Amino acid sequence: NAGVTQTPKFRILKIGQSMTLQCTQDMNHNYMYWYRQDPGMGLKLIYYSVGAGITDKGEVPNGYNVSRSTTEDFPLRLELAAPSQTSVYFCASSYLGQGVYNEQFFGPGTRLTVL
Amino acid sequence: KNEVEQSPQNLTAQEGEFITINCSYSVGISALHWLQQHPGGGIVSLFMLSSGKKKHGRLIATINIQEKHSSLHITASHPRDSAVYICFFGNEKLTFGTGTRLTIIP
Repeated sequence: NAGVTQTPKFRILKIGQSMTLQCTQDMNHNYMYWYRQDPGMGLKLIYYSVGAGITDKGEVPNGYNVSRSTTEDFPLRLELAAPSQTSVYFCASSYLGQGVYNEQFFGPGTRLTVL
Repeated sequence: KNEVEQSPQNLTAQEGEFITINCSYSVGISALHWLQQHPGGGIVSLFMLSSGKKKHGRLIATINIQEKHSSLHITASHPRDSAVYICFFGNEKLTFGTGTRLTIIP
């Protein structure tokens, strides 16, 4: 199993540009998450999904959109990139059973710089 | 007041020392998680705890649900243990601690 994969690893955007960060997991997990981590700071949840077709906002959703058309894929879309979105983005997945958040598996991260 | 507090924020120790990192929280939870983030950025899940103690190699995690406190211990610490250790839990939302940066000096 590849686990959780993310592309690209690095990206530089100009202000106002758009891009999609890709995330794929092959563990048949129902839950998937997008986090951002600013330099020297902790993880903040952007969006999460409890299954195909279902997404919900996390702590910092503004400026982002997500979709979950399949169990495996959970892309994160940035529209009109801003310097405040310069961060490292992590995708994660887990299997939720009996209402308990189980172990999360993290992707390697995407380092995004907006200039 | 933050729902979760980690201490210390930074910890530097000599190789071989016994390490303790603490996580205190203020709400009722069913399980708490510990993550390890390596200097290169990669994040690995270490433990998920609902009660008692779990051990994996030189790492031991304990939790006291009534006292709302968890600890992560590292025995015989090694420079490769240098990382940021993060606790988190999920109730209605996921709540993360800000992490403890551990540096082990050879």
